[in-house]
Amino acid sequence: QSALTQPASVSGSPGQSITISCTGTSSDVGGYNYVSWYQQHPGKAPKLMIYDVSNRPSGVSNRFSGSKSGNTASLTISGLQAEDEADYYCTSYRHINTVVFGGGTKLTVL
Amino acid sequence: QVQLVQSGSELKKPGASVKVSCKTSGYTFTSYAINWLRQAPGQGLEWLGWINTNTGNPTYAQGSTGRLVFSLDTSVSTAYLQISSLEAEDTAVYYCTRGVSENYYNSYYWGQGTLVTVSS
Repeated sequence: QSALTQPASVSGSPGQSITISCTGTSSDVGGYNYVSWYQQHPGKAPKLMIYDVSNRPSGVSNRFSGSKSGNTASLTISGLQAEDEADYYCTSYRHINTVVFGGGTKLTVL
Repeated sequence: QVQLVQSGSELKKPGASVKVSCKTSGYTFTSYAINWLRQAPGQGLEWLGWINTNTGNPTYAQGSTGRLVFSLDTSVSTAYLQISSLEAEDTAVYYCTRGVSENYYNSYYWGQGTLVTVSS
């Protein structure tokens, strides 16, 4: 069982927006602004899409955005595209000196 | 540009040991932490821990097996992961990563991954 809870799957049609949730506790998601989101296509290494809750690394599309409310973080993808179909993982710093992962969410673009 | 290049795939028997290397370039090695993660076949990502490349101090994930050892050779900007007493459950792709900034809270740069297969 993963430390952070994500839905196993989400889906959306091209052009729509979807949101993936990531629920933790006050010891991780709720207590620190160190939530990250990764995209992973089959057979590839993960790619950092969001860090520190809402920051996008250079080169990541502004269709990807992150936010947090209480113990739940969210990744929103707007203007869904076929290439967004992938697995998405959230992570968070956890007190003390630990990083915890969600179990992953499979995004299907219909 | 920043690069992390890992050693090649390994096939090991149960009970053996393996050492995975992660050679870095394109930045000052001792200024950024190195994370180690793994992904078992068909499974999610698991954070194994991180190593402070300035002090050499490793931090292992809670509940992590005592069979993991992180080490460094700063003279060649390389980090190592050694796993002893291998079990079938250790079969996975192992990644070294570096963050956006000096901390270990995220992984922006990734090695290509090293597949370790444990089988008799």
